[in-house]
Amino acid sequence: QVQLKESGPGLVQPSETLSLTCTVSGFSLTSYSVSWVRQPSGKGPEWMGRMWYDGDTAYNSALKSRLSISRDTSKNQVFLKMNSLQTDDTGTYYCTRDRFRIPLDYWGQGVMVTVSS
Amino acid sequence: DIQMTQSPSVLSASVGDRVTLNCKASQNINKYLNWYQQNLGEAPKLLIYNTNNLQTGIPSRFSGSGSGTDYTLTISSLQPEDVATYFCFQHNSWYTFGAGTKLELK
Repeated sequence: QVQLKESGPGLVQPSETLSLTCTVSGFSLTSYSVSWVRQPSGKGPEWMGRMWYDGDTAYNSALKSRLSISRDTSKNQVFLKMNSLQTDDTGTYYCTRDRFRIPLDYWGQGVMVTVSS
Repeated sequence: DIQMTQSPSVLSASVGDRVTLNCKASQNINKYLNWYQQNLGEAPKLLIYNTNNLQTGIPSRFSGSGSGTDYTLTISSLQPEDVATYFCFQHNSWYTFGAGTKLELK
């Protein structure tokens, strides 16, 4: 069955870089895209960016200058790196499967990230 | 950017009630509208995609409708397990979520 699982540090220092990994199973990264979505506590989710099935990327314009998404298809993994973290980057980060015209149909459990010194 | 506005922000209803949640887009989104249910501490779960298509495994008491800028999620008979926060999401132009409607039991 389709599964996604996020992993990474729970605590990041202000101004430092966040690195997260999404490991997928049950589908191929060369057939489906994967998006990253984050959600501050008590607020609506925010789409961050996408790794297309063909290896191309797309980013939320508000985050584009700080964000990088890459992948390793041999390991079924998608990576997120975001630099210059601030306290308002605190929240839960999810990776999701992203199908054409049925986007964000499966989600990982999420990883809570706190930006604090 | 397309903005999504959900109303009400909090809705209290009784078991068995017919419940309607609203979502308004800042411009026409051509029915590219999904609804998600999020229980506390869990990831959002896709309920309905492209306005009125029920995701596999979702109970038939959930339905969606709308066009243009105005969309609705309806629960025909509220069950206790439906208590959650519901988000609308547009994918007509980039991706945007609404701020959510928190559904509570009266």
